[in-house]
Amino acid sequence: GAVVSQHPSWVICKSGTSVKIECRSLDFQATTMFWYRQFPKQSLMLMATSNEGSKATYEQGVEKDKFLINHASLTLSTLTVTSAHPEDSSFYICSVGQGVREQYFGPGTRLTVT
Amino acid sequence: DQQVKQNSPSLSVQEGRISILNCDYTNSMFDYFLWYKKYPAEGPTFLISISSIKDKNEDGRFTVFLNKSAKHLSLHIVPSQPGDSAVYFCAASGNAGNMLTFGGGTRLMVKP
Repeated sequence: GAVVSQHPSWVICKSGTSVKIECRSLDFQATTMFWYRQFPKQSLMLMATSNEGSKATYEQGVEKDKFLINHASLTLSTLTVTSAHPEDSSFYICSVGQGVREQYFGPGTRLTVT
Repeated sequence: DQQVKQNSPSLSVQEGRISILNCDYTNSMFDYFLWYKKYPAEGPTFLISISSIKDKNEDGRFTVFLNKSAKHLSLHIVPSQPGDSAVYFCAASGNAGNMLTFGGGTRLMVKP
């Protein structure tokens, strides 16, 4: 399957600042990438679908102005958490859609907002 | 409303025995199901999948069974190994898309 990386793996930021998380598809040109969030002991919740060259599609309840997604190339999608607050602290995971049905996930980024 | 449910949050099994993880779904439009394994602070790793046209798919120690009429699938791991200890998520997709809906996960602990 596709190899996906994320950077950084862990970030701590102060409340009110913005944080950018990168998701790279290392061996596959991904027209579609997905961003998930996982709170402790909970399931992965899809936040948005990132489409190369067009606007992302956000799931219900996810603020598009707070979670900015840019998919500028076939190998890179970025998620920017703007004006972060402690409740945004979570584990953010991206995935690459490959083939008809499968997704391959990055290692995740742990965000802690103090 | 949760469309994909894993009712057992945890499961403990002795090494060498069979592990059976269960998953139920409610959306009849789902026609492709996947199992992922996840370690803490890592992304999920794809394990095995099954299309709704099948009722069984096997890959080494992992077998997934699908009962469409009951909207139920299960993952069998045999023999279980301590390295299998992780959280297992089932996921479903429908309408030929690759957007996934995840269950809540089951933590499997395999004791040596």
